Amino acid sequence: AQKVTQAQTEISVVEKEDVTLDCVYETRDTTYYLFWYKQPPSGELVFLIRRNSFDEQNEISGRYSWNFQKSTSSFNFTITASQVVDSAVYFCALSPNNNDMRFGAGTRLTVKP
Amino acid sequence: EAQVTQNPRYLITVTGKKLTVTCSQNMNHEYMSWYRQDPGLGLRQIYYSMNVEVTDKGDVPEGYKVSRKEKRNFPLILESPSPNQTSLYFCASSFLGRRGETGELFFGEGSRLTVL
Repeated sequence: AQKVTQAQTEISVVEKEDVTLDCVYETRDTTYYLFWYKQPPSGELVFLIRRNSFDEQNEISGRYSWNFQKSTSSFNFTITASQVVDSAVYFCALSPNNNDMRFGAGTRLTVKP
Repeated sequence: EAQVTQNPRYLITVTGKKLTVTCSQNMNHEYMSWYRQDPGLGLRQIYYSMNVEVTDKGDVPEGYKVSRKEKRNFPLILESPSPNQTSLYFCASSFLGRRGETGELFFGEGSRLTVL
């Protein structure tokens, strides 16, 4: 079974704090892809990152970083020095090779000034 | 401009009245899919298509139909809508990699459907 769990429903931080959004996945496939998407209050869905299961290198893009750990089936997302504009719902997603795409329930992040 | 276009953006209808939500992309993507977003449930995949005339069920296909007669279009059909299909719907498209894997999804702006 393919499943994505985002246990944190809502997180609230104050600007400039670091925050980590957790994502745990389940799959029996050995080849799969993991994604993060952002949905700001305006409602559109914005792609952040795609990672394949053979690449466990952590990724950093500006204030964003991703920690992929196959041993714990986790693909966590950290925002460093958060800003008000980071307020959004963040979705983690899993796609095995059969192209069935499973999203987590999302984590609503609120960054207060 | 690369985009995925959905119509209508908002619709209120009544139980049993057939409706179609259109989706069109201009990026020549092979892969297209439909999702519904409900509070607390995230996005759930309804149907997806790997190419013209190739469609597969996602997680929640009941009550929906799709067709892929042209590469750019992937309409979602509700033959007899019911109130439990009230939701926010997103269409998305993506290229497929060398091994047929899904790339980054490009989403439409969403269609908010209310079934009374």
